[in-house]
Amino acid sequence: NAGVTQTPKFQVLKTGQSMTLQCAQDMNHNSMYWYRQDPGMGLRLIYYSASEGTTDKGEVPNGYNVSRLNKREFSLRLESAAPSQTSVYFCASSVSWPPTYEQYFGPGTRLTVT
Amino acid sequence: SQQGEEDPQALSIQEGENATMNCSYKTSINNLQWYRQNSGRGLVHLILIRSNEREKHSGRLRVTLDTSKKSSSLLITASRAADTASYFCATVPDSNYQLIWGAGTKLIIKP
Repeated sequence: NAGVTQTPKFQVLKTGQSMTLQCAQDMNHNSMYWYRQDPGMGLRLIYYSASEGTTDKGEVPNGYNVSRLNKREFSLRLESAAPSQTSVYFCASSVSWPPTYEQYFGPGTRLTVT
Repeated sequence: SQQGEEDPQALSIQEGENATMNCSYKTSINNLQWYRQNSGRGLVHLILIRSNEREKHSGRLRVTLDTSKKSSSLLITASRAADTASYFCATVPDSNYQLIWGAGTKLIIKP
């Protein structure tokens, strides 16, 4: 089992460019999450998908969109990147919603917006 | 908003010593989770403690939860160099179940 995989690992964008971060899990989990981690801060929830076919906003959704493509895949899109979106992005999954069980994390995508 | 706050922000101890880190939170919770993050890597789940539990053990890890004080502690006994990492607590509020993370404690184990 690969667990949670994310692509790409690193990305540099210019302000205004768009990109999609991909995430997939092979644990048959129902719920998936996107977080961002900034230096000296904990993770902040961007969007989550409690189950296939549903998505909901987290704490910091502005500037992002998500798609739950199927049970395995959950993508995060930046339509017009801004320097404030420079961060490390983590995808996670859990058995179900609400998260009364642990979350499993991918290795992260380090994004720089210049 | 950051609900969980870890204390201390950084901790440096000798190998073999015990390490204790604390987490405080503000609202009623369903559960509290501790995670470890090695430098440049993703987070790994350590222990989940539910609001009706007071203490849990896993190997060299011991977690306590005091809901009256809205605080939790993580104790790592007999520390090893491999325990060097950042440790995060995350709370799951009863209100919306969206995990809220603290800023973490950076633990350094000196050989």
